[in-house]
Amino acid sequence: EVHLVQSGAEVKKPGESLKISCKASGYRFASYWIGWVRQMPGKGLEWMGIIYPGDPDPRYSPSFQGQVTISVDKSISTAYLQWSSLQASDTAVYYCARSGLPSIAANFDYWGQGTLVTVSS
Amino acid sequence: EIVMTQSPDTLAVSPGERATLSCRASQRVSGNLAWYQQKPGQAPRLLIHGASTRANGVPARFSGSGSGTEFTLTISSLQSEDFAVYYCQHYNNWDGAFGQGTKVEIK
Repeated sequence: EVHLVQSGAEVKKPGESLKISCKASGYRFASYWIGWVRQMPGKGLEWMGIIYPGDPDPRYSPSFQGQVTISVDKSISTAYLQWSSLQASDTAVYYCARSGLPSIAANFDYWGQGTLVTVSS
Repeated sequence: EIVMTQSPDTLAVSPGERATLSCRASQRVSGNLAWYQQKPGQAPRLLIHGASTRANGVPARFSGSGSGTEFTLTISSLQSEDFAVYYCQHYNNWDGAFGQGTKVEIK
């Protein structure tokens, strides 16, 4: 059975760095794209970017290009989302999700439980 | 960048009635269109992919249609568990924009 388990909630101060994780199990990690989605408090879903474990070149939404970094560690079937300098406006729930088809950046069929990131001074 | 626009923002429906949700893309998306359901405090759930294919385990009362730039999600007879927010999403190898969501609430 496919599972995506995300790291726990984080409380950070503006300017701090952060890396959250998404550990995959139940399928061949290297064969499926994984994406990240932001949901700000009370708001809708925003597609941030996507990465194929077999390709080190992530694709980013223009809104998030340069603001975050998406990466993977194939050896432990884990995807990451990181910030070098958080802002209060980064406060949100972040979801990882798996593409529904192997080797193709398709819809998201499995989702992590979400990681709440709170940035406050 | 493709922009997805859903209508209406809120839809009030009585249990047992039909609900029709719309999604419009700013450019043709070639059938690469998905619908998701999200309930409070939960991750989104995939309902429809490829514009009209139900995901595993999704009840037959959910159906998707459309092509090009105009798409529709229909819930034929609303059940109590269907009151939620619904998002459309287009996807390809470069981006995957979501619509702003339609909240389906009890009338």
